[in-house]
Amino acid sequence: AQSVTQLGSHVSVSEGALVLLRCNYSSSVPPYLFWYVQYPNQGLQLLLKYTSAATLVKGINGFEAEFKKSETSFHLTKPSAHMSDAAEYFCAVSSGGSYIPTFGRGTSLIVHP
Amino acid sequence: SQTIHQWPATLVQPVGSPLSLECTVEGTSNPNLYWYRQAAGRGLQLLFYSVGIGQISSEVPQNLSASRPQDRQFILSSKKLLLSDSGFYLCATDVNEKLFFGSGTQLSVL
Repeated sequence: AQSVTQLGSHVSVSEGALVLLRCNYSSSVPPYLFWYVQYPNQGLQLLLKYTSAATLVKGINGFEAEFKKSETSFHLTKPSAHMSDAAEYFCAVSSGGSYIPTFGRGTSLIVHP
Repeated sequence: SQTIHQWPATLVQPVGSPLSLECTVEGTSNPNLYWYRQAAGRGLQLLFYSVGIGQISSEVPQNLSASRPQDRQFILSSKKLLLSDSGFYLCATDVNEKLFFGSGTQLSVL
């Protein structure tokens, strides 16, 4: 069984500040981990994917995430927030023979000028 | 690369009316196809997935059904909509274990 917990349904930052979106997972086998972004009234787009090649994964738009097995975490960060980063962010996990991911409930990122 | 078409973009339907949402995929053959629903504050819920024509797996028992009449066509249906069917419906396909989503249909049942 696999599950994902995203801490905080909303995160608010100022433009230029550090972005940190938290994700913890549970999986009985080594997982694949994903972050997706959803802009208003659109489908989801893949930001980045972890597949065990490297613990620090770099994605699009300056985002990156670090896989920490001991903490079962895969937090998403960006050094400096832009207004255009305002969106809903979803963490997801897939593992074992099924590649169908399980999604977290999402975190809404709000960026203040 | 693959392209996912979903329509309509928005839909307002009365309770008890039927539903048909269509999704087509271009740029890939024999794709795995998925229907997700996104309700406010509840994240993404997998409704159905299909690994081939006529093969449908249901993840959540409910008022909806899915069909795959052609390789690149995936249809979500209901005979009688409920208020609780309101939400944002997303079709997706996967490539190299990554999901690619359509632009979604916002369904409001009134």
